[in-house]
Amino acid sequence: EAGVTQSPTHLIKTRGQQVTLRCSPISGHTSVYWYQQALGLGLQFLLWYDEGEERNRGNFPPRFSGRQFPNYSSELNVNALELEDSALYLCASSLRALQETQYFGPGTRLLVL
Amino acid sequence: AQSVTQLDSHVSVSEGTPVLLRCNYSSSYSPSLFWYVQHPNKGLQLLLKYTSAATLVKGINGFEAEFKKSETSFHLTKPSAHMSDAAEYFCVVSDRSGYSTLTFGKGTMLLVSP
Repeated sequence: EAGVTQSPTHLIKTRGQQVTLRCSPISGHTSVYWYQQALGLGLQFLLWYDEGEERNRGNFPPRFSGRQFPNYSSELNVNALELEDSALYLCASSLRALQETQYFGPGTRLLVL
Repeated sequence: AQSVTQLDSHVSVSEGTPVLLRCNYSSSYSPSLFWYVQHPNKGLQLLLKYTSAATLVKGINGFEAEFKKSETSFHLTKPSAHMSDAAEYFCVVSDRSGYSTLTFGKGTMLLVSP
């Protein structure tokens, strides 16, 4: 069974640009979660999507947004990039909403210069 | 509100010796608890989870953890460390509030020397 996949693996952007990260959940999983792992800040919850809708949001500004497609894959968009957005962005999926065990992808490492 | 405290930022052991990674939690609800491992430049892999069944939980790669409600602890142990265990370990709590939010500890880096 294929795990959670993310693309791209690495990305370099400059301040002010926009970026889109992609995630494909495990087959059959309907919930997708996004986390930011920045140096010194640990893992922080960003967004949760289930059945195409945003269900919960962490303490991040509105320039962080995303969506979930009918096939349950998801995109994370970050507008007006700032230097502190440099981080590893992790996507996770779970079998359904309220099913607590989340399975993580390998992440996308974003560097903002 | 929920929180997780991993008591050691780094733990060093020799190969073949026991591993103990300490975790304390607080939660307004009856929590679910997890341990994840992250090898360098990799995503997180689930080691084990506690969801109010047996208090001693066995995971992959010989790891286990014991849920102690009276001590609000969920320490991770392994009888004998292997070089491949060197990684960062995260203790995670879910308060089952329905918001599917996991709260992560800051992580413990396990160093294993030959």
